[in-house]
Amino acid sequence: ILNVEQSPQSLHVQEGDSTNFTCSFPSSNFYALHWYRWETAKSPEALFVMTLNGDEKKKGRISATLNTKEGYSYLYIKGSQPEDSATYLCAFVPGAGSYQLTFGKGTKLSVIP
Amino acid sequence: SQTIHQWPATLVQPVGSPLSLECTVEGTSNPNLYWYRQAAGRGLQLLFYSVGIGQISSEVPQNLSASRPQDRQFILSSKKLLLSDSGFYLCACSTGLGGYTFGSGTRLTVV
Repeated sequence: ILNVEQSPQSLHVQEGDSTNFTCSFPSSNFYALHWYRWETAKSPEALFVMTLNGDEKKKGRISATLNTKEGYSYLYIKGSQPEDSATYLCAFVPGAGSYQLTFGKGTKLSVIP
Repeated sequence: SQTIHQWPATLVQPVGSPLSLECTVEGTSNPNLYWYRQAAGRGLQLLFYSVGIGQISSEVPQNLSASRPQDRQFILSSKKLLLSDSGFYLCACSTGLGGYTFGSGTRLTVV
């Protein structure tokens, strides 16, 4: 059983604050790490697919880093806005050719106006 | 880009009743298809995946089954629902290294 942990479980921040949360995953047999944003009553939306150690990806105010050797990824949100409120999921893909994403339980972010 | 249609959005079914959830995909051909479930307080868990018509792999033993009668159709079924089958069911597809595309989900409550 692959262990993918996300912390914190939930987070409340004020509008305008920057924040970050963590995804930890097995450091062996790594193929890819996905980040998704899941708003209530909507489909999870892919944010990033990261494959290389040291990868940094950015999409607007959201960015992510990847450390495959130590088995963690950080997601950063700069200047949080109420529309950033959602659950952020990371998912680990082990080994080339694997079909299984192993998801963490997510970090639920609430941005207070 | 792919679009997934999944229905119904919510479903309340009695214990022992059958289940059929359907998922169809637009905008791609020969996708890998997946059924995930999120039970209360837990993360998304892969139930089934399919790499082609008639090809189904199950990740966990359970009261459910899946079928892929057409390239872009994936069906999740049960002959007799259990209380423990309650949860949020998501269909997803992938066509390569990119992130998955998800449907909007079905919230199933077994009573």
